[in-house]
Amino acid sequence: QKEVEQNSGPLSVPEGAIASLNCTYSDRGSQSFFWYRQYSGKSPELIMFIYSNGDKEDGRFTAQLNKASQYVSLLIRDSQPSDSATYLCAVGSSDKLIFGTGTRLQVFP
Amino acid sequence: NAGVMQNPRHLVRRRGQEARLRCSPMKGHSHVYWYRQLPEEGLKFMVYLQKENIIDESGMPKERFSAEFPKEGPSILRIQQVVRGDSAAYFCASSPQTKRGYGYTFGSGTRLTVV
Repeated sequence: QKEVEQNSGPLSVPEGAIASLNCTYSDRGSQSFFWYRQYSGKSPELIMFIYSNGDKEDGRFTAQLNKASQYVSLLIRDSQPSDSATYLCAVGSSDKLIFGTGTRLQVFP
Repeated sequence: NAGVMQNPRHLVRRRGQEARLRCSPMKGHSHVYWYRQLPEEGLKFMVYLQKENIIDESGMPKERFSAEFPKEGPSILRIQQVVRGDSAAYFCASSPQTKRGYGYTFGSGTRLTVV
């Protein structure tokens, strides 16, 4: 079983729609959860982090965490073509972050 | 206010040569992490270092790969006798501390091509 699992996609949504990206993890002891965005040929950039169960909102982004279900999600409201990228879920595991393989999001006009 | 600096951006090596990848963390960050990313794949953890100490090298291949973070100067990821399978993007990240798992700041990466 992979430690951090994501659907590779691509997830295609029309401009203005809500994009929903999901991630599950295997380590019940994980305490910190992150979403990174990576454009093709570029390095990952941190867009959201969440530590507690529930929702955390930042602009058009909302991270949701359910530790009982070992599930993290990222919602992007009013999706824009510039949001087209690969979104990496990362989970804190002891002294490092473990990354999923990423979900490719395509936002079409 | 420089971010994480990696060099070179692109590195081409012939099979059997050595590759040296450098990483200077952000100012104030004492934790350095190296990750490898193969095409169309996620980031794979390689090694975690603090100044003069290797904290976790569980993701490092047992042979040919080594890493250091000396008291002075950048962190170095060294790959000896490179093979075609070493071709990948190598990213360095830094963080101020690991308590609660602070998010990393990544450098722009070194794209290694072995010919």
